[in-house]
Amino acid sequence: NAGVTQTPKFQVLKTGQSMTLQCAQDMNHEYMSWYRQDPGMGLRLIHYSVGAGITDQGEVPNGYNVSRSTTEDFPLRLLSAAPSQTSVYFCASRIAGVSGELFFGEGSRLTVL
Amino acid sequence: EDQVTQSPEALRLQEGESSSLNCSYTVSGLRGLFWYRQDPGKGPEFLFTLYSAGEEKEKERLKATLTKKESFLHITAPKPEDSATYLCAVQAGTGNQFYFGTGTSLTVIP
Repeated sequence: NAGVTQTPKFQVLKTGQSMTLQCAQDMNHEYMSWYRQDPGMGLRLIHYSVGAGITDQGEVPNGYNVSRSTTEDFPLRLLSAAPSQTSVYFCASRIAGVSGELFFGEGSRLTVL
Repeated sequence: EDQVTQSPEALRLQEGESSSLNCSYTVSGLRGLFWYRQDPGKGPEFLFTLYSAGEEKEKERLKATLTKKESFLHITAPKPEDSATYLCAVQAGTGNQFYFGTGTSLTVIP
C-alpha cells in the first residue's frame, strides 16, 4: 500500500518558470490538501479539495493553482515561480467527514532561483 | 484567530530522562488535536488524535493528554530513536482546515 506519493522529490526552477507538483493517493480518500513548510513558520495550508471537482483556498493560496479531476490525484501548479515559493511542499489526504488524521507524502523540495 | 503554539522549540534529553512537550491552542470549534512525528527529510507521521478534554492516548514511551486549552506529549525514558521533531495540529470549524504549530525538536543523547 503506497499511501500518498509525491513527485518530484527535488526541483530547481528559475524565476518565472512554471511547474506542477504531483500528488497521488491510493487510500480512496475524499479529502486532499497541499501544505508548505518553511523554517519557523510550521506547515501552512495552500489549497484543499473535499472531492473530485471541488477545491478551495487555504491560508496561503496566492501563486498556486489546483484542480481535482479524479479521487486519486491532486496536482499543485506554480504558473510563474518566485523565490518566495522556495519551500518544502507536502501533500496530505484523509477520509471524508468532519474529523480525522491527515496522511502525508514524503515531500517535494522546491528551490526557485 | 485560530492559533497553535508549541514549546519548547528544542529539547535535549539524556537517554532515560523523561520530559513533556506542550501545545497550547486557541481555536473556535475544536474537532480534534493531533500529534505527529517528523524525521529529517520526511513527511509528518501520525501519532495520536485527541477529541475532548480529559482524553489520554498512549503508544510505547509516548503519552498524549488534552485539556481545554493545551495538550501535552509526555515522553517516558526516551531512547535515541525518539529523536525527531514533534508537531501538534488542531482541526477546527468545518474540519477542512488544520492549524499546525512550529514543532519541538527533540534530541535524545545516548
